[in-house]
Amino acid sequence: GESVGLHLPTLSVQEGDNSIINCAYSNSASDYFIWYKQESGKGPQFIIDIRSNMDKRQGQRVTVLLNKTVKHLSLQIAATQPGDSAVYFCAENDPPGTYKYIFGTGTRLKVLA
Amino acid sequence: DTEVTQTPKHLVMGMTNKKSLKCEQHMGHRAMYWYKQKAKKPPELMFVYSYEKLSINESVPSRFSPECPNSSLLNLHLHALQPEDSALYLCASSQPGRAPGGDEQFFGPGTRLTVL
Repeated sequence: GESVGLHLPTLSVQEGDNSIINCAYSNSASDYFIWYKQESGKGPQFIIDIRSNMDKRQGQRVTVLLNKTVKHLSLQIAATQPGDSAVYFCAENDPPGTYKYIFGTGTRLKVLA
Repeated sequence: DTEVTQTPKHLVMGMTNKKSLKCEQHMGHRAMYWYKQKAKKPPELMFVYSYEKLSINESVPSRFSPECPNSSLLNLHLHALQPEDSALYLCASSQPGRAPGGDEQFFGPGTRLTVL
C-alpha cells in the first residue's frame, strides 16, 4: 500500500502484480508530461511521455494515463519485477513551450519477492 | 552514443574552494540543463542553455556560475559554497523541436557534492 510521511511516499507491490503510481500536476495548460525512473546513485531515466492531445499511451509493460479534467497522471507497470524498484517522478513542461520542467515529489516503488 | 557523462562522480570541497563540474554529450543536442537534487527530493532546475546561450536562470545564487563552451560541453563553476549546497548535481540534454519544450531529456549520473 501507500504511505506518506516524512519520507518519500512508498508503494509496495508483490512481484508479478501490477503497479499504479499517481501524480498530480499543477498547470492546466501544461501539454507535455514525462515519467522518469531513478535508481539509487543514478540520474533519472526516461520511461514514457505523453502529450495533452492523448489520454493514454502504452510502452513496453508501461502505460501512462492522463486525466486533464482533474490534472492527474498515472503510470501503470504490468507484471512488476524486482528491477522496477526505484523512485518514480512525473514531470510537466511548465510553462508550456519552454525549457522548464517541474518534477513531482516522487514515489518509491518497492517490489516484494 | 546516447549518453550524458558527468565528472567528477564525487566532490568534497571547503567553503573557500573553487571547483568545477563538467558535463558532456555527443548526441548533437542543443539544449543542456543543470539540476540540483537534495536527498529524497525531486530534481530542481537551475540553468538551461539553448544553442550555447543561457536561456533560463532560476534565480540561482551567483556562487554557481554556468558555462557552455560549445554545443557538447556544459560546466558549472563553484565558488564560496555553503554546506546547504551539498546535493546531487544533475546534467541533462535534449534536442529542441521547432519550439522549446516537449522534448525528451537525457540525464547524466550526477555529481555528488559535499561542502564542508
